[in-house]
Amino acid sequence: GAVVSQHPSRVICKSGTSVKIECRSLDFQATTMFWYRQFPKKSLMLMATSNEGSKATYEQGVEKDKFLINHASLTLSTLTVTSAHPEDSSFYICSARERGREETQYFGPGTRLLVL
Amino acid sequence: AQKVTQAQTEISVVEKEDVTLDCVYETRDTTYYLFWYKQPPSGELVFLIRRNSFDEQNEISGRYSWNFQKSTSSFNFTITASQVVDSAVYFCALRDRFGAQKLVFGQGTRLTINP
Repeated sequence: GAVVSQHPSRVICKSGTSVKIECRSLDFQATTMFWYRQFPKKSLMLMATSNEGSKATYEQGVEKDKFLINHASLTLSTLTVTSAHPEDSSFYICSARERGREETQYFGPGTRLLVL
Repeated sequence: AQKVTQAQTEISVVEKEDVTLDCVYETRDTTYYLFWYKQPPSGELVFLIRRNSFDEQNEISGRYSWNFQKSTSSFNFTITASQVVDSAVYFCALRDRFGAQKLVFGQGTRLTINP
């Protein structure tokens, strides 16, 4: 089946630093990738949608300059949390749709970010 | 606007009991997809099923079964003979087939199976 990986799986950083999270589709080409955020005991909230080679589309209320998304290839998307603050601590999950099989989204294992 | 409601926040049952997780959705689209995902404590979302809006056949996969009722906008999930390994948070989700095609999640139901 389609596999999506994320790196790192867990990261702890100091307030004010930037953190980059990578999302890769390992065995398929992903035309579209999605980034979600999940707070403890809450549901997944879509942050942005990115298509390869174009700018990401952000959901209302998500700061573009805060959460930089790059989708440079059909297998890689990155989310950079710039100048992270404790309130950015969360579980970040990426998802990808396979080219030609857009009905189903495959999710990565998630990245737990803790900002001290 | 699309909306998915999982009214049951938490369910706790004893092993071997049957349990049904409810999911009610709202959409103006006539063509859409419905999903169920399982999120164990590790956090990774596990895909369970996708159902097209034009296919109202119920589906069974081992101990899992799904009841899609378009007339009541519901897509309920039943686990028969539950096991401790079924303990997880389960999410129901909706996505329109055209347009923005965003996956909208319900609030999730935390299922605990006690030995």
